[in-house]
Amino acid sequence: EVQLLESGGGLVQRGGSLRLSCAASGLTFSIYAMSWVRQAPGKGLEWVSGISTSGGSTYYADSVKGRFTISRDNSKNTLNLQMNSLRAEDTAVYYCAKPREGAVLGAFDLWGRGTLVTVSS
Amino acid sequence: SYELTQPPSVSVSPGQTASITCSGDKLGDKDACWYQQKPGQSPVLVIYQDVKRPSGIPERFSGSNSGNTATLTISGTQAMDEADYYCQTWDRSTVVFGGGTKLTVL
Repeated sequence: EVQLLESGGGLVQRGGSLRLSCAASGLTFSIYAMSWVRQAPGKGLEWVSGISTSGGSTYYADSVKGRFTISRDNSKNTLNLQMNSLRAEDTAVYYCAKPREGAVLGAFDLWGRGTLVTVSS
Repeated sequence: SYELTQPPSVSVSPGQTASITCSGDKLGDKDACWYQQKPGQSPVLVIYQDVKRPSGIPERFSGSNSGNTATLTISGTQAMDEADYYCQTWDRSTVVFGGGTKLTVL
């Protein structure tokens, strides 16, 4: 079965750090650029970060630039998001998302179930 | 930064046609896609490359994109189509979502 499974969410204090992971299975992970998308409670979707197939290029929303770091391990079919200096406004469900076409950020045809990050103030 | 604007809500009667718009500067020059999200679930891609439907998406879902506006059209809307809908576009280094539209079928 093709799936993405996020982990690592939880409760963290303001200013703290958290590392999210996304395990991919049933697909050739290395040929897809990958992204993290978040959704604050009761709010819309917000793209957070993306990474190229090799990991050599990374992209960030202005809201997280300088605080979050995206990475991937193609040998382990894993996508990661290191989140530092967390703020209350980072509270959200974080989704891992795969594009329909491999090397572009693109339209996401596969999403994980998400992992909840709660930043307490 | 690039922005996409959607109406917060749209209402439609069962069996009628629902249209949800998404506006952005020269959006017609970009690829647009649409997602459906039901409460407690992950988003599902319903339209990509402006007009294409992924396998498994009913034919009643269609899309268009021209000028500054992309439109998602649901023909013969059913109760199961009640959900939040998001448009999205992207370029080489960023992805942008619209604010979302809550579709109510009543």
